[in-house]
Amino acid sequence: QSALTQPRSVSGSPGQSVTISCTGTSSDVGGYSYVSWYQQHPGKAPKLVIFDVSKRPSGVPDRFSGSKSGNTASLTISGLQAEDEADYYCCSYAGSYTLVFGGGTKLTVL
Amino acid sequence: EVQLVESGGGLVQPGRSLRLSCTTSGFSFGDYVINWVRQAPGKGLEWVGFIRSKVYGGTPGYAASVKGRFTISRDDSKSIAYLQMNSLKTEDTAVYYCTRDLGLLSAFDIWGQGTMVTVSS
Repeated sequence: QSALTQPRSVSGSPGQSVTISCTGTSSDVGGYSYVSWYQQHPGKAPKLVIFDVSKRPSGVPDRFSGSKSGNTASLTISGLQAEDEADYYCCSYAGSYTLVFGGGTKLTVL
Repeated sequence: EVQLVESGGGLVQPGRSLRLSCTTSGFSFGDYVINWVRQAPGKGLEWVGFIRSKVYGGTPGYAASVKGRFTISRDDSKSIAYLQMNSLKTEDTAVYYCTRDLGLLSAFDIWGQGTMVTVSS
């Protein structure tokens, strides 16, 4: 199972919006509605920010939103804040009771 | 407070075995699927495997990279999940996290702090 494809890095200024893409295939992202996104600050455990493509766990600001089109899922962070600077990972169900992660994207807040 | 705490990591030689534990509290452990995820130094996240809750049959599943070498189990009476790692390779060096699943391989809403496993001679 190949890792999902994410851009290595994205950046934005405070207050702006950024979108991180996550491209898979019809066997994973395109085939199921089980795409999740995780935020990881250096030295910390990941934190769930989006599940089931577009749902937000309680406590996650509504600045975080998720969507999917075909084989590509996206995470959009609007109104960027300094504390959003982190690594972001997508994850998708890949059939046959397996999961696959993306390679990760480093978000820099300029 | 919902908590997952991993333990058992350390330095181990290639070919040897190690067992990690994931001790949980603050929720009804038996109702949840538990996953293991690892992260090699400076690298991304990699899903290792999972164990179903009893309602889903209580059986495990694995990533291809560890199938046949790793075994995941659970003791619902102690609220602990285990990751038995055999025939360890240098490429198994990573921080290992246990996670609580929102459903069955849907998303991980709670993560432990991780335990480091170093495979080296």
